[in-house]
Amino acid sequence: EVQLVESGGGLVKPGGSLRLSCAASGFTFSSYSMNWVRQTPGKGLEWVSSISSSGSYIYYADSVKGRFTISRDNAKNSLYLQMNSLRAEDTAVYYCARCSSCYNGRGVRFDPWGQGTLVTVSS
Amino acid sequence: QSVLTQPPSASGTPGQRVTISCSGSSSNIGSNTVNWYQQLPGTAPKLLIYSNNQRPSGVPDRFSGSKSGTSASLAISGLQSEDEADYYCAAWDDSLTGPVFGGGTKLTVL
Repeated sequence: EVQLVESGGGLVKPGGSLRLSCAASGFTFSSYSMNWVRQTPGKGLEWVSSISSSGSYIYYADSVKGRFTISRDNAKNSLYLQMNSLRAEDTAVYYCARCSSCYNGRGVRFDPWGQGTLVTVSS
Repeated sequence: QSVLTQPPSASGTPGQRVTISCSGSSSNIGSNTVNWYQQLPGTAPKLLIYSNNQRPSGVPDRFSGSKSGTSASLAISGLQSEDEADYYCAAWDDSLTGPVFGGGTKLTVL
């Protein structure tokens, strides 16, 4: 069974840092681009970042560029999101999602999604 | 404000056909394929339609998608109570160099 499990969320003060992880299983992780997508409580979806299968291509939303860093470890079947200089507006549920039929990290066919991990930025 | 525009809500009665629109621009829908996601209450989004009109295995054929120019639509026929969910459209945006989502449409089955 294809599965994605996020972890690392929690409560952090403004200006603080947090590292999210996403453990993948049930598929050849190194063959797929991966993404982080977030959802503010009660609001819609916002793409955060994507990384190609080899890690050679990386993209960020303008809202997180310079503060967040996406990375992956194909040997550990894991995806990461290092979040620095966190702001209140970064409060959201963060999902990792596999991208099917993506080329060099570019695509929007996200399937499946993990269950999400909640990040709360508050003093 | 979301880059792709969807109506915030839609509704229908069981058995009815409903459509949800998604409007974009030449840099996203106009030049790339559209995907649709269904998010049931309290769960993660699930891929419903990809490449404008393709259904992943397991998605009932009651769900269909279409695209014309810079707009796309999701149609649900034979509406069922379990279809009550939030629906999101998404497409790659060449100008922003990343995926963009619609604001979501909350479907209520009356």
